[in-house]
Order: sequence, then C-alpha cells, then structure tokens
Amino acid sequence: DAKTTQPTSMDCAEGRAANLPCNHSTISGNEYVYWYRQIHSQGPQYIIHGLKNNETNEMASLIITEDRKSSTLILPHATLRDTAVYYCIVMGYRDDKIIFGKGTRLHILP
Amino acid sequence: DAGVIQSPRHEVTEMGQEVTLRCKPISGHNSLFWYRQTMMRGLELLIYFNNNVPIDDSGMPEDRFSAKMPNASFSTLKIQPSEPRDSAVYFCASSLSGFEKLFFGSGTQLSVL
Repeated sequence: DAKTTQPTSMDCAEGRAANLPCNHSTISGNEYVYWYRQIHSQGPQYIIHGLKNNETNEMASLIITEDRKSSTLILPHATLRDTAVYYCIVMGYRDDKIIFGKGTRLHILP
Repeated sequence: DAGVIQSPRHEVTEMGQEVTLRCKPISGHNSLFWYRQTMMRGLELLIYFNNNVPIDDSGMPEDRFSAKMPNASFSTLKIQPSEPRDSAVYFCASSLSGFEKLFFGSGTQLSVL
C-alpha cells in the first residue's frame, strides 16, 4: 500500500506556482520522498527526491517539513505542459520498491 | 540517448493468443522493471531485474506471465495464453541501480479481445 496521502485533484493558473502537497506521517528515518509525474499517454517521469533538506532542480523544488511528515512539490511557473498526474512516493534508498498510489491530477488552466 | 524503447506501441490480439512485449533499456543501466497500468489498479510493479537476474517477481499475476532478460540490452514480457483482463498499458523502466531514479518507456497498449 502507498505510504502517502495526496489530494485527488488540483487546479492552477498558467504562469503561477503550483504547490502540490503530500502527507507521509509514517515515514521512517531512512526513507526518501520521491516525486514522479505522468503526462497523458506517456510513462511516468522522475521529477525530484529528497531526504531531509529542501531540494531544487531544473523542474521543481521539494520542500520537506522539519518533522518529515509532509512535503510540498513546487512547480514555480506552471505551463499547460505541466498538466499531469503527480505521484508522491516514500521509499528507502535504491532497494525499496516504488509503489505508486493514485496521485494528484493537476490541471493547469489557461 | 534514445531512452527506454518499447515495442510494439499498440497490440491487439484475441483471447488465447500469445503476446510478447519487448523492451530495450537505456545503455549502462543495470536495473530493469516491468509495470502494468489499468484504471482500476493503477500502476503495479510486475517484476524487476538487477544485472539481468530477476530479483522480485511477486507482482506477476499468474503463471501465464513470464519475463526474461537474456542480456543487458533486451527484455521480454510474455503472456500465454492472453485473457481480456490482461488488457492494460505495460511499461518498461530502467535505472542505473535499483529504484533510485527510474526512466520509463512510452508503454505498450495491450488490448485482448
């Protein structure tokens, strides 16, 4: 079973920041938070992952709370191409299995 | 890099027929994964390989499903005999090692009539 809870769907205006929340209250000390997304008719795409510290790459930023029980994925300037299902996944480093939940369906509105 | 390559892109077959799905992982990647996606069950891990060796096949639905990885650049997922409930999108993914960062192919849309 997925170890995370995400809203079923969200809307965001094009050009605005999209903030996608994820709750993972049972996360253990050696587990990472991963984010993938799946654009319609495509395979899932890795976005970012982190352990404790906030992370940023060319696609997004990941903010993890100090108690690590929740996190937020931030797409700084959302475009129509960011419309997708976003999956938040908790897993141990490398050797744990990636189990996809239902994710959040993000709609970017023009 | 061409990414993970899957073939065919679409497959339509009749119940009882054998189906073979193919995957070419990214060169240099040591781990390969097969996932299945349906509306009802979402994305499910079927099996994964490390260095061409199957590590965990607990997600394979039943004996009708089999997967092989004869070398580092090729894997197959075979269903024999196929049934309508096998209709789904089958994804292959690869990574440098383990589940750290998976790269997915475009998937094979399988329809069993």
